Amino acid sequence: IAGITQAPTSQILAAGRRMTLRCTQDMRHNAMYWYRQDLGLGLRLIHYSNTAGTTGKGEVPDGYSVSRANTDDFPLTLASAVPSQTSVYFCASSEQRDTDTQYFGPGTRLTVL
Amino acid sequence: GQNIDQPTEMTATEGAIVQINCTYQTSGFNGLFWYQQHAGEAPTFLSYNVLDGLEEKGRFSSFLSRSKGYSYLLLKELQMKDSASYLCAGMDSNYQLIWGAGTKLIIKP
Repeated sequence: IAGITQAPTSQILAAGRRMTLRCTQDMRHNAMYWYRQDLGLGLRLIHYSNTAGTTGKGEVPDGYSVSRANTDDFPLTLASAVPSQTSVYFCASSEQRDTDTQYFGPGTRLTVL
Repeated sequence: GQNIDQPTEMTATEGAIVQINCTYQTSGFNGLFWYQQHAGEAPTFLSYNVLDGLEEKGRFSSFLSRSKGYSYLLLKELQMKDSASYLCAGMDSNYQLIWGAGTKLIIKP
């Protein structure tokens, strides 16, 4: 299957719990991204990775961490979830982090109670 | 600050033409993207403009004026399947996309 997969599709989580959202791409893209999408707001970048072994902070990184051990996988971890992290999370990838088109995964709908 | 402005919602009739406007302010500029997002789905790429002018791609065209910080997406021969949100995003000098909140387009028969 060509593209980006995310897991889980949706999740309800108790506040204070730890959660990892998974993202895998098979396009051998160098750059990967995590966004959150909230009603009435544009997509906001949480973290990104230019290439395997490197990561960077986006616009709203607090409360989230990422790792990029290999080209294909880019998990996003919420160490201790809070209700304000209720959102739809999209993983995306592009060949390079410059002007290349970003391709999005199907998203994870996360509710923190 | 960086900002992308686009209308919240527009309504158009099947078979007609609609223009969705976007104004942007970014720190530096590396291009303007348009994405389509159907409800409950992921955004999908529509167009990219970095030079002034019109780029045509089938029923969809996108225009950019760098001096005015302005872009529009033109959709012709509207079909019911075009009902979706259209997201405008400007790329800044750090190659980060700054996203608008999206324009929800409602197509009526």
